[in-house]
This record gives sequence, C-alpha cells and structure tokens, in this order.
Amino acid sequence: EVQLVESGGGLVQPGGSLRLSCAASGFTFSNFWMIWVRQAPGKGLEWVATINKDGNGKNYVDSVKGRFTISRDNAKNSLYLQLNSLRAEDTAVYFCAGGVGWIFDYWGQGTLVTVSS
Amino acid sequence: DIVMTQSPDSLAVSLGERATIHCKSSQSVLSSSDNRNYLAWFQQKPGQPPNLLIYWASTRESGVPDRFSGSGSGTDFTLTISSLQAEDVAVYFCQQYYDAPLTFGGGTKVEIK
Repeated sequence: EVQLVESGGGLVQPGGSLRLSCAASGFTFSNFWMIWVRQAPGKGLEWVATINKDGNGKNYVDSVKGRFTISRDNAKNSLYLQLNSLRAEDTAVYFCAGGVGWIFDYWGQGTLVTVSS
Repeated sequence: DIVMTQSPDSLAVSLGERATIHCKSSQSVLSSSDNRNYLAWFQQKPGQPPNLLIYWASTRESGVPDRFSGSGSGTDFTLTISSLQAEDVAVYFCQQYYDAPLTFGGGTKVEIK
C-alpha cells in the first residue's frame, strides 16, 4: 500500500523555523518527482516546491524563495521541507505528493503549520 | 505564470443529474511536441488530501468511476460528472503541469440540490 506520511508541523512564532518530513512507503521513492503543496485554511491549493528524482533539481514558488528548502534522502525514502523566516501567511496545511513526471497521484494527509505570536 | 480560472465557484446539482465544471488557462497547455494537454483534475473532500481524477485532460486515473470525464484542449477544459452521486460532494480543482510553477484553479464546490 502506498503511503506518504507528513510530520513536523506545529505552532511557531513569526520569524521562526520548522522542518517538515514526509515518509514514503509502498512505492519506489527514488523513481518519483516530489512536491510540497500547501492549503491555507478555507482556501485553495498552492504549489510550494518541486524536487526531481535524484534531488539535484529544485524549484520554488516566488513567495518562499530564499526561505524554504526542499530536499530528499532516497536511502531513507524521505522528503523534507525546511521552513525559515516564517510569516503569518505561511499558515497552512502542507501536503507532500509524488508522481512520475509531473502527474502527482500519491498524496499524504498533510501537516498543519500555524505561524502566530 | 499560467493562471487557471475555474467556473463556477460552486454549483448545486440534483442526485443523478449532470455536473459540469469549467477551467480556463491563461495560455495554452497543449504541447506541440507530444500533442498532449498538460492538465489534471483533482477532487478534495473535507479533511482529506486532493485525489487525482484525470490527467492529460481526459485520461481517467485508475479506480476513478467512469461517470467522471475530462475534455477540452489548449486553454479551455471541462470536467463532467455524468450522474452525480452523494459521494461526489467535494471541491474540484484543475491544475496545469505544462510549465513551472505548477498552478491550480481556485476550486469549484459541488453540492447536492
């Protein structure tokens, strides 16, 4: 059974940092492109970052460039998102998702990040 | 960036009736190299992650009921639910994967009339 399980969310003050993790199982993780997508409360979906299969290709939505870093460890079947200099507008549920090419058919349940003082 | 615009924002349809959702992209998502439309549709139920329904604009994901169909090309696309069931109540999103950044439509909420 394919599973993506996110962890690491929580309440953090503005300017703070968090590291999100996404543990993959049930598929060959190293063959899949991976992304992070976020959803602010009651809002739509926003792509945040993409990483290619071997981890040497990454891109980010403009609003997080220089603050967030996506990475992966294929040996551990894990995806990460380092969130620095957090702002209130980063408050959202963060989903990890995987796909062959850019068709993302595997999704985790999400982890909530709340940025508030 | 490619802007995805969905309409309507919400619709209420009687059980067994047809539901039609529209998605328009600000530029074509049809690739001239492979003649494919880089357009996907997702369903999201409350408290759940998005679920892929359709990719390449009209290819149904494995396990998706055949009452769901996608059509369109270039900049204009449609998701049709041919006979609405109670379990189809959800928000539906289109998404283009033609170019970075990946972008989603704003969503269409489907309810039972």
